[in-house]
Amino acid sequence: AQSVSQHNHHVILSEAASLELGCNYSYGGTVNLFWYVQYPGQHLQLLLKYFSGDPLVKGIKGFEAEFIKSKFSFNLRKPSVQWSDTAEYFCAANTGNQFYFGTGTSLTVIP
Amino acid sequence: EAGVAQSPRYKIIEKRQSVAFWCNPISGHATLYWYQQILGQGPKLLIQFQNNGVVDDSQLPKDRFSAERLKGVDSTLKIQPAKLEDSAVYLCASRRQGLGPYEQYFGPGTRLTVT
Repeated sequence: AQSVSQHNHHVILSEAASLELGCNYSYGGTVNLFWYVQYPGQHLQLLLKYFSGDPLVKGIKGFEAEFIKSKFSFNLRKPSVQWSDTAEYFCAANTGNQFYFGTGTSLTVIP
Repeated sequence: EAGVAQSPRYKIIEKRQSVAFWCNPISGHATLYWYQQILGQGPKLLIQFQNNGVVDDSQLPKDRFSAERLKGVDSTLKIQPAKLEDSAVYLCASRRQGLGPYEQYFGPGTRLTVT
């Protein structure tokens, strides 16, 4: 069965620090990849997605992610985080109609 | 475009009681998902509908959980009887039909507390 792994469970950063959250998936076929964010008290919303083409995808709020097929990875990055980026971040892989979510990474940004 | 609607937003019940959650997906979205999200974990799929048919319910505890989507639009998820470990947020998501890279759209969730 397909699975998604997020190795960073809790990350604490100071404002302006750079961010990289790891995501690995286990599926050898065609897969679409997503990063979702859940701000405190809000519902899950899409940050960015990859399905083909340029492996470096840009999303909202200055986030980007790089798809590295050889490493089965789709890491999320942001060069300079803000206090408002404090949230839970979920990586998800999609094949057909099925979605597989990672366990999430809790990011706390200290002003 | 209206988002995915869920109700109630919060529910507190005692163990062994029953509870029902309602979801109205985005108009035109054929695929509907129910997830259970326990604090500190990622969403876990309970059941997936394509129109009014069940695509995947392999992780639904069928002895106590049931779900339906009779007219292929809104859906209800029921728990009867509830257990303490059912305390979680129940998320509904919808998605366009097809194999394209269509993302899921999530509702605000229903936070269930079983005491």
